Amino acid sequence: DIQMTQSPSTLSASVGDRVTITCRASQSVTSWLAWYQQKPGKAPKLLIYKASRLERGVPSRFSGSGSGTDFTLTISGLQPDDFATYYCQQYKSYLYSFGQGTKLEFK
Amino acid sequence: QVTLKESGPVLVKPTETLTLTCTVSGFSLNHATMGVSWIRQPPGKALEWLAHIFSSDEKSYRTSLKRRLTISRDTSKSQVVLTMTNMDPVDTGTYYCVRISEVFQDGFWSGYYLPDYWGQGTPVTVSS
Repeated sequence: DIQMTQSPSTLSASVGDRVTITCRASQSVTSWLAWYQQKPGKAPKLLIYKASRLERGVPSRFSGSGSGTDFTLTISGLQPDDFATYYCQQYKSYLYSFGQGTKLEFK
Repeated sequence: QVTLKESGPVLVKPTETLTLTCTVSGFSLNHATMGVSWIRQPPGKALEWLAHIFSSDEKSYRTSLKRRLTISRDTSKSQVVLTMTNMDPVDTGTYYCVRISEVFQDGFWSGYYLPDYWGQGTPVTVSS
């Protein structure tokens, strides 16, 4: 099974900051990688798919990059609504796997 | 409008079998490029994929839970059912039903499926 490792586990930032979250796969997933945002008590929301494609309706301050085993999610100009937990997920294998999550909190 | 709604017991006892039902609307379980997954989340922890079922009735299961899981569907009722045997307190969490859709890329269907619609989730506690 493919293992997904995210870093950092927690990230402290302020409104307006630019932040980057990384995700590493234990083997190549080419570009079959998605990023989700989750707020407490809510289902995850799809932000990015195919490593870098923005889901409809997601603000352009979110961007994704990478291929193979190394990926990043960048949020440029943090807004108050962005403080949440973020997960990466590979879907190259039918045996889906998620990263352990990155909690983005107020500094 | 695509919706998925999970239902099932809130509380189960250790060693019991959990049965969860996902009722979908806005798409067909027979649609060739769609399927349904179950994903769970223990309190304060990460998401864990459990199982898929595709329109072909092909199924996939999480390796570590394969012996305890069964996924099935009733297309006439637009429902997908997940059963998990021998429940343990570590199985406590929120269980999500998720639609997965095949990605169309460069003029062909890729064979890769992306989760695109999530149910609200249903909480399950395992305790005696």
